Amino acid sequence: QKEVEQDPGPLSVPEGAIVSLNCTYSNSAFQYFMWYRQYSRKGPELLMYTYSSGNKEDGRFTAQVDKSSKYISLFIRDSQPSDSATYLCAPSMDSSYKLIFGSGTRLLVRP
Amino acid sequence: EPEVTQTPSHQVTQMGQEVILRCVPISNHLYFYWYRQILGQKVEFLVSFYNNEISEKSEIFDDQFSVERPDGSNFTLKIRSTKLEDSAMYFCASSAPMILNYGYTFGSGTRLTVV
Repeated sequence: QKEVEQDPGPLSVPEGAIVSLNCTYSNSAFQYFMWYRQYSRKGPELLMYTYSSGNKEDGRFTAQVDKSSKYISLFIRDSQPSDSATYLCAPSMDSSYKLIFGSGTRLLVRP
Repeated sequence: EPEVTQTPSHQVTQMGQEVILRCVPISNHLYFYWYRQILGQKVEFLVSFYNNEISEKSEIFDDQFSVERPDGSNFTLKIRSTKLEDSAMYFCASSAPMILNYGYTFGSGTRLTVV
């Protein structure tokens, strides 16, 4: 079983839609859960992070972590064409600062 | 906003040649990292570096690879004898004190092409 799994997409939605991006993981030692956005041929850019289980909201973005099911979600409200990018989940452990990236989900928001 | 700067943006090298990829991390950051992304694949951790020594490395980071902080500002990744399979985007990152897990800033990457 892969440590971190994401559906690669692409996920195509109309502008204004609510987008749900998901990630599963296998290592119960993960405590930090980050979502990164990556544009083509650019470095990952941190969107949000959550520590342990729970929800966190930041503007149009909401991150959810359910440690009991090892499931991570990112919701984007009122999606914009500028949100078109690849979204990477990247958990890490308390004992290590390395990030374990998922393969990413490519999102396309159509005007 | 502070940035992590990587040079060059694109490097082409012959198989078997040595390459050095350069990075200038954010000035008050203490942890430094190299990650790589082979085209179409996931971003993979290579190495982390703190206090002038490697703190963690992956299985990918074998004897062909080395890192160095030659002065107070630069952080380099050297590949001694490049192979075709080393072709990838290499990302440098640094993370801020006290928020190491989620305080990463990535550079824009160096695209390495081995021919």
